[in-house]
Amino acid sequence: DAEITQSPRHKITETGRQVTLACHQTWNHNNMFWYRQDLGHGLRLIHYSYGVHDTNKGEVSDGYSVSRSNTEDLPLTLESAASSQTSVYFCATKDRQNTEAFFGQGTRLTVV
Amino acid sequence: QKEVEQNSGPLSVPEGAIASLNCTYSDRGSQSFFWYRQYSGKSPELIMSIYSNGDKEDGRFTAQLNKASQYVSLLIRDSQPSDSATYLCAVNSRNYGGATNKLIFGTGTLLAVQP
Repeated sequence: DAEITQSPRHKITETGRQVTLACHQTWNHNNMFWYRQDLGHGLRLIHYSYGVHDTNKGEVSDGYSVSRSNTEDLPLTLESAASSQTSVYFCATKDRQNTEAFFGQGTRLTVV
Repeated sequence: QKEVEQNSGPLSVPEGAIASLNCTYSDRGSQSFFWYRQYSGKSPELIMSIYSNGDKEDGRFTAQLNKASQYVSLLIRDSQPSDSATYLCAVNSRNYGGATNKLIFGTGTLLAVQP
C-alpha cells in the first residue's frame, strides 16, 4: 500500500540549532505539503511543492525552508530553531486539483 | 477574515443523537470541500468530500454544501463514543489563476459523545 512516512516521530532540539524533518511518500503524487498544528490554530500551511524543483511559501513560512529534488521526498528544514516552532508537523500529499490530501503520522518537535 | 471558519467547541452530544458540525468559507469560487476526523495524537483522516450543492450521504455521515451561503456542514447520525474526535473542515483554495492544489483548513471542532 502507498504511504507517507515522516521521521523522526519525536524530536527535542535546542534553540538555534538547524533541524530537518523528513517526509517520504510512495503515492507518486506531485503535490506535497507541510503543515504545523497548534492548539487553537488548526493546520497551517508552511510550504508546498507542485513538483520536482518547485517550492512555494505558505501562510507561516518564516524560519522554514524546503527543497524538492525528487518526487518522493520533501524535507522541511528549520534554519535556526526557535521555541515558537515547537509544534506537531504534518506532511501531506495530493494527487491533483479538487482531490483530498493524505497525511503522514506527524512529527512532534520540541524546541528548548 | 479567516478563509475557513469553524466553531472550536467542544460540542457535546449524547450517544445516539445527531451531531451537527458547521463550517463557513470566504472564497465564493471554491469548488471542493472535505471533512477530516482527527483523534487525539493521530493524523487527520478523510471522512467525506463534497463538490456540488446539496447533500451527500455515506453511512452515518452526511455532508451538506450550500455554495450561495458559503456553508458546508457534517451531520453524524446515531453518534457513538468512538466518534469523539476533532473534525476539520478543508477547502481547496484558489488564486487569480483558478483552482489550486492547496487545502486550507479550519481550526477544527472538538466533538464529545457522551455514553
